[in-house]
Amino acid sequence: GAGVSQSPSNKVTEKGKDVELRCDPISGHTALYWYRQSLGQGLEFLIYFQGNSAPDKSGLPSDRFSAERTGGSVSTLTIQRTQQEDSAVYLCASSLAPTRWETQYFGPGTRLLVL
Amino acid sequence: DQQVKQNSPSLSVQEGRISILNCDYTNSMFDYFLWYKKYPAEGPTFLISISSIKDKNEDGRFTVFLNKSAKHLSLHIVPSQPGDSAVYFCAAGLAGGTSYGKLTFGQGTILTVHP
Repeated sequence: GAGVSQSPSNKVTEKGKDVELRCDPISGHTALYWYRQSLGQGLEFLIYFQGNSAPDKSGLPSDRFSAERTGGSVSTLTIQRTQQEDSAVYLCASSLAPTRWETQYFGPGTRLLVL
Repeated sequence: DQQVKQNSPSLSVQEGRISILNCDYTNSMFDYFLWYKKYPAEGPTFLISISSIKDKNEDGRFTVFLNKSAKHLSLHIVPSQPGDSAVYFCAAGLAGGTSYGKLTFGQGTILTVHP
């Protein structure tokens, strides 16, 4: 597709379960970003990939959160032992390169609800 | 610590009038600032940006003003149209180091333009 896609669009899980969120960036975009938006909050930076490496993981809230990117394309954000405070919309964005900051294209997000 | 703040959660404007959205930041090291627009169930889309070396940038109906001494930026939409109704996020970034491309977002302002 032409844009950033994310799956699933919605996920409801029970506290303590693991979840995987997927992001397909725009083809050819080397930079990939994960953000999350909790209710009433702005977008919170989680992690950034340049190619398959993550120079900046400073936003990951805890060691329950991890992310990987393979083949310089698809990225997966994994949350282990989910907690209710993990409920949020998780947004992925990509750009041609990290220098092209004005062209971060966002996906529609995955809405995660932890019961 | 909320480094980027949008203190008005909502704004209501009559069609044809000016909409002014405000944003304050605390980190004087930010090099560039952006405004994103977000419709429900969609990811944010880039609207307009400004570098810290400028105090104004204009693109059609949208103008962003930056007051570095006050650490304040604003987005002006003239004339406002009903299709402008959305959530507007301001964001700021640093141009160097491993943080390049990482954006810090405000909480968003819901703009409603009435016909």
